[in-house]
Amino acid sequence: GAGVSQTPSNKVTEKGKYVELRCDPISGHTALYWYRQSLGQGPEFLIYFQGTGAADDSGLPNDRFFAVRPEGSVSTLKIQRTERGDSAVYLCASSLSGGSLRETQYFGPGTRLLVL
Amino acid sequence: AQSVTQLDSQVPVFEEAPVELRCNYSSSVSVYLFWYVQYPNQGLQLLLKYLSGSTLVKGINGFEAEFNKSQTSFHLRKPSVHISDTAEYFCAVIPDTGRRALTFGSGTRLQVQP
Repeated sequence: GAGVSQTPSNKVTEKGKYVELRCDPISGHTALYWYRQSLGQGPEFLIYFQGTGAADDSGLPNDRFFAVRPEGSVSTLKIQRTERGDSAVYLCASSLSGGSLRETQYFGPGTRLLVL
Repeated sequence: AQSVTQLDSQVPVFEEAPVELRCNYSSSVSVYLFWYVQYPNQGLQLLLKYLSGSTLVKGINGFEAEFNKSQTSFHLRKPSVHISDTAEYFCAVIPDTGRRALTFGSGTRLQVQP
């Protein structure tokens, strides 16, 4: 079946602008995760959804970052007043239920965000 | 909190040679361990994971890893690499505390040369 998809694949914006990044999880997966990968680094956790609710948002760097998942499927990561330091690849992952730590998280290809 | 260290940022190796990619972790609680591979312009793909039981774990594409609790290591090995194995490899852990966040190392770039 289809994997995790993310749109857009690339996004270029100017400092101070607002951006939205979209994630479509694997069909039937109730757990969804956002990570951020800076150049030369491993992914860093941002937020985890169980269904429609954010179960853990401890990784969001500040209040300019916000994510929603209103119907328990598609999620949108929103960044306000973008800064050059926000430039990174934003990765989305999903897992079947989130009910077990042993579950595999399946990753999408990412959205490469460049803030000029 | 957990941390993962991948000491080798790049590992060049000739085709058909064996390879070992090193991973060490630090945690005050038990963890589950994972290796992911990232091919250019693709998402992270799970190679293998250690949850419990036998410390030698076999994964896809001929890779295996051995969990060593006393040395807090989870090194990845392959006896004979192919050009197609050229990619970025990430070691990751998740704590056995209920938190769902993976903690990743900084990655190792495996470059297989003909």
